[in-house]
Amino acid sequence: ETGVTQSPTHLIKTRGQQVTLRCSSQSGHNTVSWYQQALGQGPQFIFQYYREEENGRGNFPPRFSGLQFPNYSSELNVNALELDDSALYLCASSSPGGGEKLFFGSGTQLSVL
Amino acid sequence: SQELEQSPQSLIVQEGKNLTINCTSSKTLYGLYWYKQKYGEGLIFLMMLQKGGEEKSHEKITAKLDEKKQQSSLHITASQPSHAGIYLCGAVRGGSNYKLTFGKGTLLTVNP
Repeated sequence: ETGVTQSPTHLIKTRGQQVTLRCSSQSGHNTVSWYQQALGQGPQFIFQYYREEENGRGNFPPRFSGLQFPNYSSELNVNALELDDSALYLCASSSPGGGEKLFFGSGTQLSVL
Repeated sequence: SQELEQSPQSLIVQEGKNLTINCTSSKTLYGLYWYKQKYGEGLIFLMMLQKGGEEKSHEKITAKLDEKKQQSSLHITASQPSHAGIYLCGAVRGGSNYKLTFGKGTLLTVNP
């Protein structure tokens, strides 16, 4: 049990729709990162939020956006969904200066039809 | 080509046997995480290695980092069915401990 919770666990959308995924960080963790894991692949870094600001971004288009709230919970928004967006979306949190451990949630499985 | 190559891609062992999974980086390693994942689930933190030559152990799992070779290995002693899953290595690239580059994973099956 990592203390990082994600919702929903599963989601089915159709191409062109928009989706919002949510993540609640472990208590005291002010840094949140989001990853996309396609079937049979390792997770790929989407972006990171620190104190409510984006603080690093991977090779993902602008239709992938995020928010971090004062309580350090976070959202990942994806607009204009494409079939290739079907994947497991993972969020991870870490404590200030605590680069030792990155705690992952159980993920949201997104299927785009 | 992948920045992080894991080998083997999959492994089937008999319960009680030892095994080793390797992770080789094409770039300088500033740190290396090992995670375990059950299919379709989140990642469970196993170990993080930060210094060349560092070796850490937890229960029957030992991980080593060879910075010169840009390589890490994960060794499981006396494997059990509970060790089954996907093992992922994630490399820390300069500047952030939170932006990890992952390998594709090694699928481990332990037969009772």
